[in-house]
Amino acid sequence: GAVVSQHPSWVICKSGTSVKIECRSLDFQATTMFWYRQFPKQSLMLMATSNEGSKATYEQGVEKDKFLINHASLTLSTLTVTSAHPEDSSFYICSARGAGALSDEQFFGPGTRLTVL
Amino acid sequence: QKEVEQNSGPLSVPEGAIASLNCTYSDRVSQSFFWYRQYSGKSPELIMSIYSNGDKEDGRFTAQLNKASQYVSLLIRDSQPSDSATYLCAVPSNFGNEKLTFGTGTRLTIIP
Repeated sequence: GAVVSQHPSWVICKSGTSVKIECRSLDFQATTMFWYRQFPKQSLMLMATSNEGSKATYEQGVEKDKFLINHASLTLSTLTVTSAHPEDSSFYICSARGAGALSDEQFFGPGTRLTVL
Repeated sequence: QKEVEQNSGPLSVPEGAIASLNCTYSDRVSQSFFWYRQYSGKSPELIMSIYSNGDKEDGRFTAQLNKASQYVSLLIRDSQPSDSATYLCAVPSNFGNEKLTFGTGTRLTIIP
């Protein structure tokens, strides 16, 4: 139980294009999902908290117009990196907060490696 | 003071020995604590959660929580090379808040 998937697992795109990353909770409903970014050899950095049916809450310094988050259902959240640039190249990881007895725990997806040329 | 602190390591432990990872936190009202393992190039994996003072054992892993001293530790018995990874301690940012605050992680290397 508590499996989270992400798609795609990796993507290479040209500078200026937009990339959409999907995060799905496969066997539980997640009212809250989180999006993180991790640069090589650095810590996880929380970008935003995504709540089903409402606007995402972005961390300080994260551009909400550049990183569009949609959480339209209890099992799916999407992150769209708009007009991506090489500095956006990173490892993007989502997590979902469990339900019921697992409601305090966060389960991570496998991550999406984005490379912007 | 950082909210969650860990020794960044690297920590090297011989195979078969006990690896001890420590974490301190600043928020006295924290009620839940988590240990994640992250292999290089992979996403974090939840390996232990602990909510009460004392020890919690799961296979070769034991989490220890001392709320009075505000620390939580992870012991790995009979360390294996496959345990080589970065271990992240995580604590909810505030009581009832959904966000987790992560330590910077301790890089553990098990030496065969």
